[in-house]
Amino acid sequence: KNQVEQSPQSLIILEGKNCTLQCNYTVSPFSNLRWYKQDTGRGPVSLTIMTFSENTKSNGRYTATLDADTKQSSLHITASQLSDSASYICVVSLITGTASKLTFGTGTRLQVTL
Amino acid sequence: NAGVTQTPKFQVLKTGQSMTLQCAQDMNHNSMYWYRQDPGMGLRLIYYSASEGTTDKGEVPNGYNVSRLNKREFSLRLESAAPSQTSVYFCASRKTWDLNTEAFFGQGTRLTVV
Repeated sequence: KNQVEQSPQSLIILEGKNCTLQCNYTVSPFSNLRWYKQDTGRGPVSLTIMTFSENTKSNGRYTATLDADTKQSSLHITASQLSDSASYICVVSLITGTASKLTFGTGTRLQVTL
Repeated sequence: NAGVTQTPKFQVLKTGQSMTLQCAQDMNHNSMYWYRQDPGMGLRLIYYSASEGTTDKGEVPNGYNVSRLNKREFSLRLESAAPSQTSVYFCASRKTWDLNTEAFFGQGTRLTVV
């Protein structure tokens, strides 16, 4: 079982609509949680980063929330645009002794249509 | 400012052939990474270089070798390619080893081993 689970696996929405993507993680203790956007055929690009003490972070139409008690994060996209079509990946940074490790979720593939 | 550049973008190999994936960054970053991305799985770390002159194994290093040629360049070598190494490979760099700093990814190399 992956330590970072994302849902839904895929999603289709109409342009202009809002949507929320979910990320549940079991890694602990963690240092920070990032959301990445990955366009088809491209590398991931960071959207937001939150430490365990933060519960919300916005980047334009993207708003990430974090509940460290329930180990859940969400990414809310407002007024979706065709350019939002991409995979969205949740990444948790785990502290292991003196080292750190990134655990990647499998992503949610979002398609925005006319 | 090119960021992280990977070559080639696509490659088809026969089982047993060797090849080197090239990665270069122009952001003066100290840390560099190689990941593989497979369907239904999150990105997995193959090897990393925390700083120039050092390399270490990640989660899935078997069948790969790396060279940190200088501060800019970090190459990944497959000595004897196997079908299980069919994947999309991403190089990433980070200013420091601290995982709170943002990672920048290349556009990926899609490798097929037949």
